[in-house]
Amino acid sequence: DTGVSQDPRHKITKRGQNVTFRCDPISEHNRLYWYRQTLGQGPEFLTYFQNEAQLEKSRLLSDRFSAERPKGSFSTLEIQRTEQGDSAMYLCASSSTRSPYNEQFFGPGTRLTVL
Amino acid sequence: AQSVTQPDIHITVSEGASLELRCNYSYGATPYLFWYVQSPGQGLQLLLKYFSGDTLVQGIKGFEAEFKRSQSSFNLRKPSVHWSDAAEYFCAVGVRGAQKLVFGQGTRLTINP
Repeated sequence: DTGVSQDPRHKITKRGQNVTFRCDPISEHNRLYWYRQTLGQGPEFLTYFQNEAQLEKSRLLSDRFSAERPKGSFSTLEIQRTEQGDSAMYLCASSSTRSPYNEQFFGPGTRLTVL
Repeated sequence: AQSVTQPDIHITVSEGASLELRCNYSYGATPYLFWYVQSPGQGLQLLLKYFSGDTLVQGIKGFEAEFKRSQSSFNLRKPSVHWSDAAEYFCAVGVRGAQKLVFGQGTRLTINP
């Protein structure tokens, strides 16, 4: 199966630590998205890449958050100086510019718990 | 800005009963519409999508949804639910020319045996 994969699936960290998550999109997809989902809510858009270019960032993406997609394939999302409010599920999705309707396919997510 | 409302936070139905989950959107033009399902601790799986054309769309797992422009709605239906349908269901809107999806807050479906 060549779906979207994310690593790790779960991360527990202490407040103030830095964490990094990885996302591998579907291989032929050139668009990659990051969303955040808190308990009882729907996913909220954070940022997206087309190839290696980061083309849009949400206001939710504070300066403690940084995302990269250096070679236009996998992406990393880093959170510096984590806070308890960063506890959430971080979802990655991918899509292809060949789809004019932006059909996005999601990975299993990384559950972050900040103690 | 576009928004999505799922009025029902939690619905309980009996196994074998019919199901309808409501979704209303706010957007000035015809959006792209999606329904996703999320099992506990998992990512989102695409159930079905509407872009244009026939307003009744079929999806996986026996689900269907109907786009009603006059009501700005895209309700999800299933004629007979199975215990395995218990999950969280999210309606989402995609905007032409933009890349992000805007999600509703979700409806949690519980199935009684």
